[in-house]
Parts: sequence; structure tokens; C-alpha cells
Amino acid sequence: GQQVMQIPQYQHVQEGEDFTTYCNSSTTLSNIQWYKQRPGGHPVFLIQLVKSGEVKKQKRLTFQFGEAKKNSSLHITATQTTDVGTYFCAISSGSARQLTFGSGTQLTVLP
Amino acid sequence: SAVISQKPSRDICQRGTSLTIQCQVDSQVTMMFWYRQQPGQSLTLIATANQGSEATYESGFVIDKFPISRPNLTFSTLTVSNMSPEDSSIYLCSVGAGNEQFFGPGTRLTVL
Repeated sequence: GQQVMQIPQYQHVQEGEDFTTYCNSSTTLSNIQWYKQRPGGHPVFLIQLVKSGEVKKQKRLTFQFGEAKKNSSLHITATQTTDVGTYFCAISSGSARQLTFGSGTQLTVLP
Repeated sequence: SAVISQKPSRDICQRGTSLTIQCQVDSQVTMMFWYRQQPGQSLTLIATANQGSEATYESGFVIDKFPISRPNLTFSTLTVSNMSPEDSSIYLCSVGAGNEQFFGPGTRLTVL
């Protein structure tokens, strides 16, 4: 099945700095989803991207889907302590739309 | 949206025993999913549970080790059988609604 590589594994930033996590695939993706998991919590859906070159914004979060639909990124502007958690990209595929997750990027925001 | 509850929230078990995890959804859904999240790792799909048919298991997971029941459209159970310390993980159920999946709070299992 399809796989997606995610980098970096860990990121420590000072509060107010920006943060970006990247997901890359060797094959063309039909879609990509992003989830956030707070420490001790469960993954929570953030967004789905389906169109080539798509850019979506949610307040300080910007999501991009590459033109070739093989990569995606999540950028957070001016991080806050509430942004702490692990961010996962995921591919929805199959008749049941089951998810294949990237390895995740654990974000630490230092006050 | 969907609200999902899981029982137990956590458990500590002895090796060789089995634990059954329950997942309850507040609405009727066709598919329910079971994931495993090992400490510090990502989520891995164990199986897809479709009401009225046998669950479909992903590579590396077998029914004898992780039997699943799906008696109705709002409930499912996952049993972790003959446990070993390597089974220590968080087990999460999820359901899809529209484009997104909703996850239960997870069951944190420690096997001694």
C-alpha cells in the first residue's frame, strides 16, 4: 500500500517562532489528511487536501498539497504553547477509507 | 461528527492473559477501525470491522491474536489474546464521517 514519510521527527521552537512539518510520498496521492494529537490525547482531524497545489488556512495554520500531489506541508505561524503535540499526516485509501499515518512530528513549544 | 467511548481506559495485565476492549459510538456507522499506537510511535491500522461480516486484518495482524466482534452498528470489541510485553500499546477505535475520522480516547495497555 501507499506510504508517506514525515519529517522532522521532533521540533523544538521558542514560542512565537514558526514551525513546519513535511510529508512526502513516492507515488501520487489522491488525498492527504492532517491530524493533531495532544500529549495523552487521541488524534483529532485538522483538514483534508485533495487538489493539486491546494492551499488551505486555519487561523495560524497553513496546509499545502504539492503540484504533483506527492508531498504536503503544515506550517504554523507564531507558535503558541497550545500548539504542543504531535502532528500526523495520513492517507485515506481503500473502499473503507482506512488511514495510513505518517510517522508524526512532535512539536515542543518553549515559553 | 461522532462521539466515541472506549472501555477500559487503561489496564495492566499479566503476560499470557487476554483483554477485551470495548468501543461504543453515538451513531450508527458501517465501518469501525482499530488502531495500535506503540509508545512514542505512529498509529498502525490493525483491522477494519464491518457489521455483519468478518473483520479485515492488515498485514502483520491475525484474527487469532486480535479477534474482533461487531454485533451491531454502534459497537465493537477488540481482544488482545495471549498477551506479551510487546503488546503494550494504546489501542484506539475510530469511525469515519465524511472526509474525517473520529477517534476514541484510547485504551492504554501495559503487559507485565
